[in-house]
Amino acid sequence: QKEVEQNSGPLSVPEGAIASLNCTYSDRVSQSFFWYRQYSGKSPELIMSIYSNGDKEDGRFTAQLNKASQYVSLLIRDSQPSDSATYLCAVDAGGTSYGKLTFGQGTILTVHP
Amino acid sequence: GAVVSQHPSWVICKSGTSVKIECRSLDFQATTMFWYRQFPKQSLMLMATSNEGSKATYEQGVEKDKFLINHASLTLSTLTVTSAHPEDSSFYICSAETGDEQFFGPGTRLTVL
Repeated sequence: QKEVEQNSGPLSVPEGAIASLNCTYSDRVSQSFFWYRQYSGKSPELIMSIYSNGDKEDGRFTAQLNKASQYVSLLIRDSQPSDSATYLCAVDAGGTSYGKLTFGQGTILTVHP
Repeated sequence: GAVVSQHPSWVICKSGTSVKIECRSLDFQATTMFWYRQFPKQSLMLMATSNEGSKATYEQGVEKDKFLINHASLTLSTLTVTSAHPEDSSFYICSAETGDEQFFGPGTRLTVL
């Protein structure tokens, strides 16, 4: 059974700090990795996608992927109160399961002024 | 770009009635759409994959006769919850695939009395 694990938190950081969110996955053949942000009562919003080992940066967000360790992370620099949300890690195993996302349970992030 | 809409955004119905939820990709065509369900304080669980012009494929444990999916065109998929019961009350979210990424609709909150 494919599993995606996240620390549920809550993770609390001061405004301006770096927030670090982590995710591990069990299916070694997983191909695609995504970070979504979900505000309370809303649907997920795609923040980052990453497909190959290394770092990928987009504005204040950096995704890091290490397939050997089956680990993906999201760094948020200069955290703002508006970043307070639940962050969901999602994994697409590819192959016959292409497009089917398995989500982690989410990490609640609180950025306090 | 990559905007997905859902209708209705919320619905309250009596036990035993059927409810139809529409999912539309507004600015792109989606051969494949996905339906998820999210219970309070839980992550998203994939219910089914909706393929234009063919039958939907359902995840294990999801009753295909209860959750009817029709993907009538490249921009529209519908989910009908038949004979809804209180335990079907949940947040139903669709997503549409473009390239390697999925974009989510705003969700439909279903409450069955």
